[in-house]
Amino acid sequence: AQSVTQPDIHITVSEGASLELRCNYSYGATPYLFWYVQSPGQGLQLLLKYFSGDTLVQGIKGFEAEFKRSQSSFNLRKPSVHWSDAAEYFCAVGLTSGTYKYIFGTGTRLKVLA
Amino acid sequence: DARVTQTPRDKVTEMGQEVTMRCQPILGHNTVFWYRQTMMQGLELLAYFRNRAPLDDSGMPKDRFSAEMPDATLATLKIQPSEPRDSAVYFCASGLNIESPIFGQGTRLTVV
Repeated sequence: AQSVTQPDIHITVSEGASLELRCNYSYGATPYLFWYVQSPGQGLQLLLKYFSGDTLVQGIKGFEAEFKRSQSSFNLRKPSVHWSDAAEYFCAVGLTSGTYKYIFGTGTRLKVLA
Repeated sequence: DARVTQTPRDKVTEMGQEVTMRCQPILGHNTVFWYRQTMMQGLELLAYFRNRAPLDDSGMPKDRFSAEMPDATLATLKIQPSEPRDSAVYFCASGLNIESPIFGQGTRLTVV
């Protein structure tokens, strides 16, 4: 069965520190991969996506993610975190079997210390 | 910027009442999704449509929930009768084929 795992429920980092949020997926075919961010009381905003090609993708707000097929991972990174990055982050897999379903992980809540 | 519009933003209702949530997808998008978000379950896919046809509603409790797209500019999610366990934030999202879905702001439902 298809699934997305975000092993870290909460992460706390200091402002200016680097960040890596982990995401692992289970899917038999090549997936489409996404990272979304959700601020309190808001909907989900797309940070970046991977469909094919270069496995390192750049997104908005200085985020990047790397697709590693051998590890079934799509980790999100940012070299220097800003206080405004505090939010919840969701990894998602788009199934490519023609159904266009998207499966979301349970999210990682990021806290940024001043 | 094109956006997905959901109404109402907040809804408080008594148990047993009917609740209807509405979604206006982005013009030109051909897929519409309904998700429910709770602390315990995270984001659950309830139903989704392509070209207004329901493709999958297996995530939805069929006895009380129903989802429809009466036209390309309106998707509805109805709960009848509502129960306290239905309290959650309901998100609508729309997309074009496999393009990443764009989410609305959500409807926060509280059933007392």
